[in-house]
Amino acid sequence: GAVVSQHPSRVICKSGTSVKIECRSLDFQATTMFWYRQFPKQSLMLMATSNEGSKATYEQGVEKDKFLINHASLTLSTLTVTSAHPEDSSFYICSARDLRGTGPWETQYFGPGTRLLVL
Amino acid sequence: SQELEQSPQSLIVQEGKNLTINCTSSKTLYGLYWYKQKYGEGLIFLMMLQKGGEEKSHEKITAKLDEKKQQSSLHITASQPSHAGIYLCGAVEANSKLTFGKGITLSVRP
Repeated sequence: GAVVSQHPSRVICKSGTSVKIECRSLDFQATTMFWYRQFPKQSLMLMATSNEGSKATYEQGVEKDKFLINHASLTLSTLTVTSAHPEDSSFYICSARDLRGTGPWETQYFGPGTRLLVL
Repeated sequence: SQELEQSPQSLIVQEGKNLTINCTSSKTLYGLYWYKQKYGEGLIFLMMLQKGGEEKSHEKITAKLDEKKQQSSLHITASQPSHAGIYLCGAVEANSKLTFGKGITLSVRP
């Protein structure tokens, strides 16, 4: 099946710094990638939809200036947590849809996630 | 947006036993995904159901979507420790967004 990678797998940073997380589709192209966050023992919450070559679409309540998304190519989307604070500590997961998909129900493939800890 | 309720919240079964977990939607589903997640890891795609009454199987796991497309069940036959994890159902909307349930934690005792 399709493979999605994330880097780094875990990161610890000081409060006030920025952290960049990469999401790559390794063996397929994706015009659309999704970013989720997951708190312990909670479900995944969609943060934003990342569209190649255009601005990301953010879900209600997600600060676009804090969570910067760049989808510069068909295989790479990045999420930058700017001026991170302890409350941003979470598990961030991306997913990608195959470009060749024909409908909204084309399978989304998920990355392994990135655990962010802000001290 | 869709609201998905999963039940039970958690489940402990003896190895070799069968089990069924459920996912109920507040609205008619366009499509429903089942994923498995190990805590702190990514999601593994299990199955996707689109049509009312549809049933799919993979190895010892069978998923069904009811005729009204508002409820799905996931059945595991002869459970094994490798089946342990968090099972998430996700409802797909027309814009490809996925809304997830809270997940069901399955533990399998050897």
